[in-house]
Amino acid sequence: DAGITQSPRHKVTETGTPVTLRCHQTENHRYMYWYRQDPGHGLRLIHYSYGVKDTDKGEVSDGYSVSRSKTEDFLLTLESATSSQTSVYFCAISELAASGGSNTGELFFGEGSRLTVL
Amino acid sequence: AQTVTQSQPEMSVQEAETVTLSCTYDTSESDYYLFWYKQPPSRQMILVIRQEAYKQQNATENRFSVNFQKAAKSFSLKISDSQLGDAAMYFCAYFGIQGAQKLVFGQGTRLTINP
Repeated sequence: DAGITQSPRHKVTETGTPVTLRCHQTENHRYMYWYRQDPGHGLRLIHYSYGVKDTDKGEVSDGYSVSRSKTEDFLLTLESATSSQTSVYFCAISELAASGGSNTGELFFGEGSRLTVL
Repeated sequence: AQTVTQSQPEMSVQEAETVTLSCTYDTSESDYYLFWYKQPPSRQMILVIRQEAYKQQNATENRFSVNFQKAAKSFSLKISDSQLGDAAMYFCAYFGIQGAQKLVFGQGTRLTINP
């Protein structure tokens, strides 16, 4: 199994509070992704990173920010959580090594983080 | 933008029988990958099968096979000899080689296996 760790795995917070989810990988993969999963919507991309300090928005990026200061860590921040951000969040990494090459699209996923915003 | 559509929110099949899950996608790209992922109740995302668009031969992995129709932009998953462990959510996904390197998912199909 790919070495991907998400933390925390479960979190309950209140509206208006900041929340940070962490994704840590031990595979030295170049690409990292944050998705959210909601019933009826499948997985939707929030943000992704294609290298240290290189990030881009996905289809549902409003209300979220990310940072990647080193290859192994990709942080997702909700500056002021809202109830609509209650979801399961998945981090994923590509099979591409950080040294370069083409991305074949196969992603390896973390175990997910369930966030509840009251 | 690419889109992926799974029109069957739920499917059920008797154990040991065959079931086909449907997926269509929309793209203007000529080269891409298509995937089926399985998500059991544990929530873990598991790759089931992958298809490269430039390959005409349909991919197979043991009891899992696909019917890839590039012109029709259709990518269905056939599960033969269904087993209780196949019960899960199944997601179809698209990855375009040109442009942004990201995976686009369909809405998912929940598969129930009846003993």
